[in-house]
Amino acid sequence: EIVLTQSPATLSLSPGARATLSCRASQSVSSYLAWYQQKPGQAPRLLIYDAVNRATGIPGRFSGSGSGTDFTLTISSLEPEDFAVYYCQQSTAWQFTFGPGTIVDIK
Amino acid sequence: QVQLQESGPGLVTPSQTLSLTCAVSGGSMEYYYWTWVRQPAGTGLEWIGHVYSSGSTQYSPSLKSRLTMSIDTSENQFSLKLSFVTAADTAVYYCARARYFGELSGLYFDHWGLGKLVTVSS
Repeated sequence: EIVLTQSPATLSLSPGARATLSCRASQSVSSYLAWYQQKPGQAPRLLIYDAVNRATGIPGRFSGSGSGTDFTLTISSLEPEDFAVYYCQQSTAWQFTFGPGTIVDIK
Repeated sequence: QVQLQESGPGLVTPSQTLSLTCAVSGGSMEYYYWTWVRQPAGTGLEWIGHVYSSGSTQYSPSLKSRLTMSIDTSENQFSLKLSFVTAADTAVYYCARARYFGELSGLYFDHWGLGKLVTVSS
């Protein structure tokens, strides 16, 4: 099973700041990686797929990069609605795993 | 806009079978993978498995021996059965639609239900 680790566990930032979240895979997942945002009491929302592509309706301040084992989600300027938990997810060989999540909270 | 809605008992007795149904509206079920994901309280997400529109299935290896998934495209719904449940199966269960975005894409979850809390307790 491919294990995903995310860092940091918690990121405390102010609105307007730049957020950089990391996801590392235990073996290469090529570009088959997605990012999701989850707010309390809500289902996850797909933000980025195939490492770099924004899903429909996702603002341009969200961007993804990386390939192989190291991936990054960047939020260029945090809006109040961006404070949430972010998960990465890999899609290889018909097995799908999620990272443990990064909490982005207000400093 | 595609919408998904989970339904089923919120309380299941240990050793019994957890049964959930997901109703799909606002779009076709054809050519998509209809998925179950669960989330124990305060923790992360776990992929349980999916059923393709043709009826073929893929399950998480850790749950495979206890799982059955099915689909009824004429009724626009799909179902999950998890047998011999224990307290460790207590979680919010989400149904979701998974799709490829292109020929070289991975499979990702682009529409989700609101989630159904299922508690396993006597």
